[in-house]
Amino acid sequence: SAVISQKPSRDICQRGTSLTIQCQVDSQVTMMFWYRQQPGQSLTLIATANQGSEATYESGFVIDKFPISRPNLTFSTLTVSNMSPEDSSIYLCSVEDLGRVRETQYFGPGTRLLVL
Amino acid sequence: DAKTTQPTSMDCAEGRAANLPCNHSTISGNEYVYWYRQIHSQGPQYIIHGLKNNETNEMASLIITEDRKSSTLILPHATLRDTAVYYCIVKAVDMRFGAGTRLTVKP
Repeated sequence: SAVISQKPSRDICQRGTSLTIQCQVDSQVTMMFWYRQQPGQSLTLIATANQGSEATYESGFVIDKFPISRPNLTFSTLTVSNMSPEDSSIYLCSVEDLGRVRETQYFGPGTRLLVL
Repeated sequence: DAKTTQPTSMDCAEGRAANLPCNHSTISGNEYVYWYRQIHSQGPQYIIHGLKNNETNEMASLIITEDRKSSTLILPHATLRDTAVYYCIVKAVDMRFGAGTRLTVKP
């Protein structure tokens, strides 16, 4: 399966600031996804990011708040803009691996964000 | 994507089989059933998936009913390290997570 890394692994930020989270994959993948997991909750899909096209956002998430870049087939970034304490969550990158187990998504370790 | 229903929590004795049920009565013909687990705030870990046939791998077995409206994930010999939240997902295009089942394996 694809090996996914995220940076930073955790951060503490002040409200009103922005944080960019990086996701790096060890192989080329077409589809990348960003999820949010609020404390004690399940995962919620933020957006789907395919290389060469604009990210597709889910209901309740907007590009101004969560801009996403997908410059190539192994890398993506998610920015959490103008943060508030409600943005405190784990943010997870996921990729669809078309290799050994087709159409299966694999997840990175997550970025733990605390906004004060 | 079809909605899934899972029990909120389950307990299992160490060394015994853990059977985790999932209902997905609105599943469509082209939708796969996936199982993931999440161990204490780590990224979700893929376990197994299937369309209509039963599947087995080194981690677990997946039993899907003939009408595909429900499935069961079986961990044949649960260990303490299997304590996690287990998610059953019916996937069309992307993964939508429900609340999952919190499995606690007890000594």
